[in-house]
Amino acid sequence: AQSVTQPDARVTVSEGASLQLRCKYSYSGTPYLFWYVQYPRQGLQLLLKYYSGDPVVQGVNGFEAEFIKSNSSFHLRKASVHWSDSAVYFCAVSAGNAGAKLTFGGGTRLTVRP
Amino acid sequence: EAAVTQSPRNKVAVTGGKVTLSCNQTNNHNNMYWYRQDTGHGLRLIHYSYGAGSTEKGDIPDGYKASRPSQENFSLILELATPSQTSVYFCASGDTGGNTLYFGAGTRLSVL
Repeated sequence: AQSVTQPDARVTVSEGASLQLRCKYSYSGTPYLFWYVQYPRQGLQLLLKYYSGDPVVQGVNGFEAEFIKSNSSFHLRKASVHWSDSAVYFCAVSAGNAGAKLTFGGGTRLTVRP
Repeated sequence: EAAVTQSPRNKVAVTGGKVTLSCNQTNNHNNMYWYRQDTGHGLRLIHYSYGAGSTEKGDIPDGYKASRPSQENFSLILELATPSQTSVYFCASGDTGGNTLYFGAGTRLSVL
């Protein structure tokens, strides 16, 4: 079975500061990894995904994530946050085969102070 | 232009009543999913479908049924709603290749 842990339920940073949101996954095979963002009263939107190749993947709005297999981690980073980045961020894992189910972490609520 | 549309957006139901949540997608994706979102639990998979006529149980299927009458439509049915089913429900579609999911805006259900 696969699982995802996001150890920080809430993170608060000041505008312009750097950001790291942590994600640890559990899966015995080679995972497909995702970060989604949810703005207030909206559905989830894909930020970025990792299937294979370069372990650092770039996403929308300046976000990036690094796959570290030895640590079973896929942390999300941004060099300089903006107040509009305030949202809930979800990490997810999939087995990658056709029709595989996506398993989500509990989410991290990010608040950016102006 | 929203590709995954859920209805209703908000619903108040009585305990023991029947509730149907509807989802329509224009992505022409084979796979569709129903998740519920609760604080502290993230999103949990209830039912999913690989195509018209197919439904599969997810991780928390008890108390829910699903119906996929066509490629575009996927419904979630609560035959006997209970207060524990108060939640926000999300529908998503995905293609068979990349596992990327596209979500609707959600349905907020309150069972009183």
